[in-house]
Amino acid sequence: AQSVAQPEDQVNVAEGNPLTVKCTYSVSGNPYLFWYVQYPNRGLQFLLKYITGDNLVKGSYGFEAEFNKSQTSFHLKKPSALVSDSALYFCAVRAINDMRFGAGTRLTVKP
Amino acid sequence: DAGVTQSPTHLIKTRGQQVTLRCSPKSGHDTVSWYQQALGQGPQFIFQYYEEEERQRGNFPDRFSGHQFPNYSSELNVNALLLGDSALYLCASSPRWLAETQYFGPGTRLLVL
Repeated sequence: AQSVAQPEDQVNVAEGNPLTVKCTYSVSGNPYLFWYVQYPNRGLQFLLKYITGDNLVKGSYGFEAEFNKSQTSFHLKKPSALVSDSALYFCAVRAINDMRFGAGTRLTVKP
Repeated sequence: DAGVTQSPTHLIKTRGQQVTLRCSPKSGHDTVSWYQQALGQGPQFIFQYYEEEERQRGNFPDRFSGHQFPNYSSELNVNALLLGDSALYLCASSPRWLAETQYFGPGTRLLVL
């Protein structure tokens, strides 16, 4: 069955430092992978997706993600974190009949 | 161009009651999906509507039902509410039912007492 896992409930980084939010996946066939961000009392906002092609995917707000087939990972990265990046981040995989989300990782960027 | 809109924003019901939540998709989108997000968890897929028919369904009981109208807007109905139905209900739309990217509304926060 298609699934994703986010091994860290919480990630803390200092403003200006690089950030990584981890995601691993389990799929049969080619994966369709996504990252979404959720701010308090808001819906999910699309950041980026991997369908096929270049393993480094660039998305909104300076975020990027690296698809690694051998490690079945799709980690979200940003070279320099902002305090405004503090939010809940969800990795997701498109299954045949639905979308499966991870449990989420809360990112806190401290000034 | 309005994005996905949902109404109401908040709702309080008691056990056993019925509730209807509404969603208007982003302009140009004809497919609507519904998700339940319990506190501290990721969204769980309920079902997806395209061309006014339920096309896919997640692992939710028949108490959860839906409808899509000719203008592509959608309703989610939940009957015989349980305390465990308390959650944020998210609507997402996409341009076609096989499209990869879904765009989410702000959600409806349902509290069942």
